[in-house]
Amino acid sequence: NAGVTQTPKFQVLKTGQSMTLQCAQDMNHEYMSWYRQDPGMGLRLIHYSVGAGITDQGEVPNGYNVSRSTTEDFPLRLLSAAPSQTSVYFCASSTSGGSLYEQYFGPGTRLTVT
Amino acid sequence: AQKITQTQPGMFVQEKEAVTLDCTYDTSDPSYGLFWYKQPSSGEMIFLIYQGSYDQQNATEGRYSLNFQKARKSANLVISASQLGDSAMYFCAMRERNQAGTALIFGKGTTLSVSS
Repeated sequence: NAGVTQTPKFQVLKTGQSMTLQCAQDMNHEYMSWYRQDPGMGLRLIHYSVGAGITDQGEVPNGYNVSRSTTEDFPLRLLSAAPSQTSVYFCASSTSGGSLYEQYFGPGTRLTVT
Repeated sequence: AQKITQTQPGMFVQEKEAVTLDCTYDTSDPSYGLFWYKQPSSGEMIFLIYQGSYDQQNATEGRYSLNFQKARKSANLVISASQLGDSAMYFCAMRERNQAGTALIFGKGTTLSVSS
């Protein structure tokens, strides 16, 4: 049981390049989310998904795309990287149902855009 | 308006002392959960403690307790007997039941420094 995994751990991009941050969970969680963490800002929600085929925008969605073709995977795509997207990205997953309790975070991806 | 407010950018405490990290929240949803996470310098998010809005008693987990004052909309984290390893960033977060994605709303965090 690996929990939530993210790849890569570090990435450097040039302005205008595209890339996909990978996120996978093996807990059969319905809900998955992407956050970015910037200094002094806490974690902010980018996109989330309540199940395969269903995604929606969070607080800061511009410049990012997501899709959820399987329960396990929730990739985050940067279409044309900008220096403002330099950040640490966290993926998280949680169960649906009666509990508001469990949310699991991946180890994070540190992205630098030059 | 901010939904989660952490007013202490930094806190300093000596080993073995207790420390309280403040958190206030704003919601109109009667059903919600409050969380505290620890983020050490290594960067991972470590879950510490959870309080449900309908829980009658304050949550406790080892040296961590949550001072939940519903009428004041505050959910302060109390760390008893601080240790050097408690030095980290601490985030308060909330999940509202009426949020379809049940994603967390985070405060900006408090940096705790524990000295010997």
